[in-house]
Amino acid sequence: QQPVQSPQAVILREGEDAVINCSSSKALYSVHWYRQKHGEAPVFLMILLKGGEQKGHEKISASFNEKKQQSSLYLTASQLSYSGTYFCGTAMTTDSWGKLQFGAGTQVVVTP
Amino acid sequence: NAGVTQTPKFQVLKTGQSMTLQCAQDMNHEYMSWYRQDPGMGLRLIHYSVGAGITDQGEVPNGYNVSRSTTEDFPLRLLSAAPSQTSVYFCASSYYGKSTDTQYFGPGTRLTVL
Repeated sequence: QQPVQSPQAVILREGEDAVINCSSSKALYSVHWYRQKHGEAPVFLMILLKGGEQKGHEKISASFNEKKQQSSLYLTASQLSYSGTYFCGTAMTTDSWGKLQFGAGTQVVVTP
Repeated sequence: NAGVTQTPKFQVLKTGQSMTLQCAQDMNHEYMSWYRQDPGMGLRLIHYSVGAGITDQGEVPNGYNVSRSTTEDFPLRLLSAAPSQTSVYFCASSYYGKSTDTQYFGPGTRLTVL
């Protein structure tokens, strides 16, 4: 079953913060976050593994709440380059990297 | 490294025609997958392979065939194209069971079936 992402879309001014959530009804081993620009392939941002790990990439960070089976992606002090559609992909086991289940995506628009 | 490559980038077919989408990777990844992306629906898994000679179905396999004769190549065949197969197709590859890495996507093939 596909994970559920929220919100579906968010509009930010440069410098503002946003949170994107990814929830699953099943127990997860890992959550993979990607960003996709229009007409391009998804680009990997980070992986969160079971255990409540938190990671960061520049001013984008993420957390994984194992109890809630939910991951959150934090966009801090957003930049114009952060615009795009963000997808979470989930894996139930250690050997299911190649068959991720993706959410429907969250469209992020950052305006000057 | 070229990473994951896909050909063609664009394709227009008529209903009933057949074609093969090519995918190749040079990272020696065991795992290769095909996804389709439709507006508002994210990425859905069509078929995947955990190694040469081993393939399995994903979420939406109907109308597609795959084979994996080498580690590097994983072609996707449309036997009789239908308008419902109009989509963007992405090939991806990854290591099998390596928790510190992820899937890498090719640039995609944009297919229109008339």
